[in-house]
Amino acid sequence: DTGVSQDPRHKITKRGQNVTFRCDPISEHNRLYWYRQTLGQGPEFLTYFQNEAQLEKSRLLSDRFSAERPKGSFSTLEIQRTEQGDSAMYLCASSLIQGTYTFGSGTRLTVV
Amino acid sequence: GENVEQHPSTLSVQEGDSAVIKCTYSDSASNYFPWYKQELGKGPQLIIDIRSNVGEKKDQRIAVTLNKTAKHFSLHITETQPEDSAVYFCAASMRELTFGKGITLSVRP
Repeated sequence: DTGVSQDPRHKITKRGQNVTFRCDPISEHNRLYWYRQTLGQGPEFLTYFQNEAQLEKSRLLSDRFSAERPKGSFSTLEIQRTEQGDSAMYLCASSLIQGTYTFGSGTRLTVV
Repeated sequence: GENVEQHPSTLSVQEGDSAVIKCTYSDSASNYFPWYKQELGKGPQLIIDIRSNVGEKKDQRIAVTLNKTAKHFSLHITETQPEDSAVYFCAASMRELTFGKGITLSVRP
């Protein structure tokens, strides 16, 4: 297991389209986090899972955003009806409970 | 919620000099304080972390100090090298991580 994998690395979409990103965490990690990072800023928390349960959601996660982790392994983050303000790097991280976070390389979304 | 402030926003040092980056946090319940290095086009990479029951931690050229009373923590890099040039983020956590805005460190050869 080489770390946290995110797919795709880059996504360009037209405004109004739906997009879905995938994150494969480190296999033994039971926590999985989604963060969003815009240029010149630190990552901002979106949501996290412990196993398959989504335990917390940020107010940044509007109704257009939905995340799942159906079997407690990989996770998907879907954005519906994308807007230009959704353009950002979407980062996934995983950890053990009380453990250190390992981040993936992110998916860079550009909405045109 | 937690608020993490990081300063300065940019720092330039001569190769071989030391660099110190400071962060403050607001939530006294936070108990975990990691530092991340981020290179262009990559995700943040953990370089060192400290928990609230420890005052200082060192790993080769990197050290972190924590002052719980003042709610601030600092990253110290000694003998800086050009490959240390990157964006550095501090973060604080009780559950999820809250990040500072980052500092761009430039090491001049």
